[in-house]
Amino acid sequence: NAGVTQTPKFRILKIGQSMTLQCAQDMNHNYMYWYRQDPGMGLKLIYYSVGAGITDKGEVPNGYNVSRSTTEDFPLRLELAAPSQTSVYFCASVPGDRGRANEKLFFGSGTQLSVL
Amino acid sequence: DAKTTQPTSMDCAEGRAANLPCNHSTISGNEYVYWYRQIHSQGPQYIIHGLKNNETNEMASLIITEDRKSSTLILPHATLRDTAVYYCIVRVPHDMRFGAGTRLTVKP
Repeated sequence: NAGVTQTPKFRILKIGQSMTLQCAQDMNHNYMYWYRQDPGMGLKLIYYSVGAGITDKGEVPNGYNVSRSTTEDFPLRLELAAPSQTSVYFCASVPGDRGRANEKLFFGSGTQLSVL
Repeated sequence: DAKTTQPTSMDCAEGRAANLPCNHSTISGNEYVYWYRQIHSQGPQYIIHGLKNNETNEMASLIITEDRKSSTLILPHATLRDTAVYYCIVRVPHDMRFGAGTRLTVKP
């Protein structure tokens, strides 16, 4: 198993450009999450999904969109990049079987994004 | 907002036990307490979790008070490699929100 795979690892965008951060997991997990982490700060939840076709907003969803067409993939879309979106982005997943709360998160290695 | 309160930073001497407190006074009956840590800018690493009983694994021990309003993560013999930010999280099934965590510095 590869676990949670994020691509790319690094990216530099110009203001106003768009891009998609990819996240894939091969563990058949139901729940997936996107977080951002600004320098020296904790993780902030952007969006999450409890299964294919179901997504919901987290704490800081503005400027982002997500989709969940398959169990494996949970891409994060930035439509009009802004300097405030410079951050490290982490994707995570958890089995989420029957909504149990006693399952640990598996994290990807992160994508470092700079918007200049 | 995160449902937990942790000190911003703590120091610990190498080889000593590190005791990291967490306050979660609004925890409800079906919510688990989780601990993760993050070293530099790597993805957070799972440490331990519990519901109401104390738990121990190869990394740490988790002590949860009887009223479940607070807990303590114990690293029994801290090493320099344990220097990291430690996050205490109260988990509901569909949500996992991180606070600012405690920056633990282990000193020689």
